[in-house]
Amino acid sequence: QTVVTQEPSLTVSPGGTVTLTCASSTGAVTSSNYPNWLQQKPGQAPRALIYSTSNKHSWTPARFSGSLLGGKAALTLSGVQPEDEADYYCLLHYGYSQVFGGGTKLTVL
Amino acid sequence: EVQLVESGGGLVKPGESLRLSCAASGFTISNAWMNWVRQAPGKGLEWVGRIKTNAEGGAADYGAPVKGRVTISRDDSKNMLYLQMTSLKTEDTALYYCTTGSYEGYWGQGTLVTVSS
Repeated sequence: QTVVTQEPSLTVSPGGTVTLTCASSTGAVTSSNYPNWLQQKPGQAPRALIYSTSNKHSWTPARFSGSLLGGKAALTLSGVQPEDEADYYCLLHYGYSQVFGGGTKLTVL
Repeated sequence: EVQLVESGGGLVKPGESLRLSCAASGFTISNAWMNWVRQAPGKGLEWVGRIKTNAEGGAADYGAPVKGRVTISRDDSKNMLYLQMTSLKTEDTALYYCTTGSYEGYWGQGTLVTVSS
């Protein structure tokens, strides 16, 4: 059973920069895992932010960026806003299946 | 405006079956791989399964916890996606979301399935 691991929680100050990561139990995350990142606020459906490692949707704010970093997928928020406080999930593709990470609760404080 | 609207959720007993539907508007699903994702109360997201386009054969793949108990189908003429669930267990209790493939990035608001005796 493939496990995708994210930091359970992170705290960042408004205006700061934070990087969330996403690791795979099968080894290094690569572009072939087509990493996705989603944001979910309390009581709301998830909202897709990033697909295929670093591609943004039309609605994704410019301060969000995706990359591969040290064998992991990474989501970097630059110039964090209070409204960025949310749960963030990564999603990795493995051939015929997809696996979500456990999520990172981002607190803006 | 793209909308994905799930329906069909409700309270069922263990062992029973349920069929969820997802109606798409503002978006034609025929060219898209479509997914079902679920979220148990207070928990994270879990991939349920995905169906390819009919042009690619319409094959579906499923996550391990539901494999053999669920079937995803699509009716492109109605712009609809379905999730047929059988032999439901209490651990299937969750909010079920309909989503497009990664490229499109659209999500519905979900429909709640509660499995309890």
